[in-house]
Amino acid sequence: EAQVTQNPRYLITVTGKKLTVTCSQNMNHEYMSWYRQDPGLGLRQIYYSMNVEVTDKGDVPEGYKVSRKEKRNFPLILESPSPNQTSLYFCASSLNGRAGWWEQFFGPGTRLTVL
Amino acid sequence: GIQVEQSPPDLILQEGANSTLRCNFSDSVNNLQWFHQNPWGQLINLFYIPSGTKQNGRLSATTVATERYSLLYISSSQTTDSGVYFCAVESGETSGSRLTFGEGTQLTVNP
Repeated sequence: EAQVTQNPRYLITVTGKKLTVTCSQNMNHEYMSWYRQDPGLGLRQIYYSMNVEVTDKGDVPEGYKVSRKEKRNFPLILESPSPNQTSLYFCASSLNGRAGWWEQFFGPGTRLTVL
Repeated sequence: GIQVEQSPPDLILQEGANSTLRCNFSDSVNNLQWFHQNPWGQLINLFYIPSGTKQNGRLSATTVATERYSLLYISSSQTTDSGVYFCAVESGETSGSRLTFGEGTQLTVNP
């Protein structure tokens, strides 16, 4: 089944404890991205990747890191999480990131709470 | 950047009723998608519809790109249709295929 998977689905952690949220897709998509969803602010893009070893900042990249060493994986790294990073996170992928025209597929979401 | 407006913000229906959700956008788009966010937070792809009309069961969607709007029709609504419906667009001016989401329509279907 074609899908985007994220792990973990739920995570409660404490301020400053490094964590990684994994994202994987099995559709051979070139483009992957991360969004966060917050009440009143909607979904906002954090980082995106046009292909392996090519990443760039989205609208709200502060406090996050990403890497794209393999085409299928795009982990989101929080080096020192803070309570304002408590949010619902989504990973997405599409066949190609250039010039639009490609449907984006979203993972099931990761609900993160930072105490 | 491109603006996306959805209406109505809230909608309460009785099971079996029909409804129309609207999405207006401020510029030409390369991509338009409709999503359903269920009570567990998952975003479910409903339609990829930058133009034209599509149908999938009780749901259908129409995008009139030249007039910058899209409509999502839900017929014979069921309680499982409850949740938030998002319209998201991507315009040619943005790089990195960022989808811009509307604020959503909160749909409640009562039995």
